[in-house]
Amino acid sequence: EAGVAQSPRYKIIEKRQSVAFWCNPISGHATLYWYQQILGQGPKLLIQFQNNGVVDDSQLPKDRFSAERLKGVDSTLKIQPAKLEDSAVYLCASSLQTGGLFAEAFFGQGTRLTVV
Amino acid sequence: AQKITQTQPGMFVQEKEAVTLDCTYDTSDPSYGLFWYKQPSSGEMIFLIYQGSYDQQNATEGRYSLNFQKARKSANLVISASQLGDSAMYFCAMRESGANNLFFGTGTRLTVIP
Repeated sequence: EAGVAQSPRYKIIEKRQSVAFWCNPISGHATLYWYQQILGQGPKLLIQFQNNGVVDDSQLPKDRFSAERLKGVDSTLKIQPAKLEDSAVYLCASSLQTGGLFAEAFFGQGTRLTVV
Repeated sequence: AQKITQTQPGMFVQEKEAVTLDCTYDTSDPSYGLFWYKQPSSGEMIFLIYQGSYDQQNATEGRYSLNFQKARKSANLVISASQLGDSAMYFCAMRESGANNLFFGTGTRLTVIP
């Protein structure tokens, strides 16, 4: 079974530029998450999709971050314009089910963003 | 208040020895789930073990076991017979009932010494 695919693996941009990350979840997984992991911290949820609808985006800085999941499969996360504090690893995860306590999330390898 | 607290930034263990990674949590929800993930240097988060708040027995998965002490709100991960490949960051996480989010701790970096 193929895992969660993310691209690119690494990205370096200047502040105020825009950037986009792509995620392809495990086939058949209805739930997709984007997490931000700042160096030295645990992952923090940015947004969660159930199929192509948003379930939780309360932690997403909507003035600069946007995300979409067209057709309930692939997802893109965009930052525009980027700030220095956006430097982090962006992790995508997917799971089969939602609403239950045990919904094992499978993670991709992440995209490491450096804003200079 | 932090929902998940991991007080050990780094731990060292001799190969083949057992090690305990600490995790305490804070919730008023009677129904919750606790998770441990491993994050090697390659970056992906690998699920290790799960414990539900109503589970009567401590969870075990191979060399991993979870020492669940509900009254103390602790969910420590025990790795037996450590291997060099166990060197990684370990994260404790919690999901509360009705919540979508997994709250993660700050992690513990485990180094296995040959």
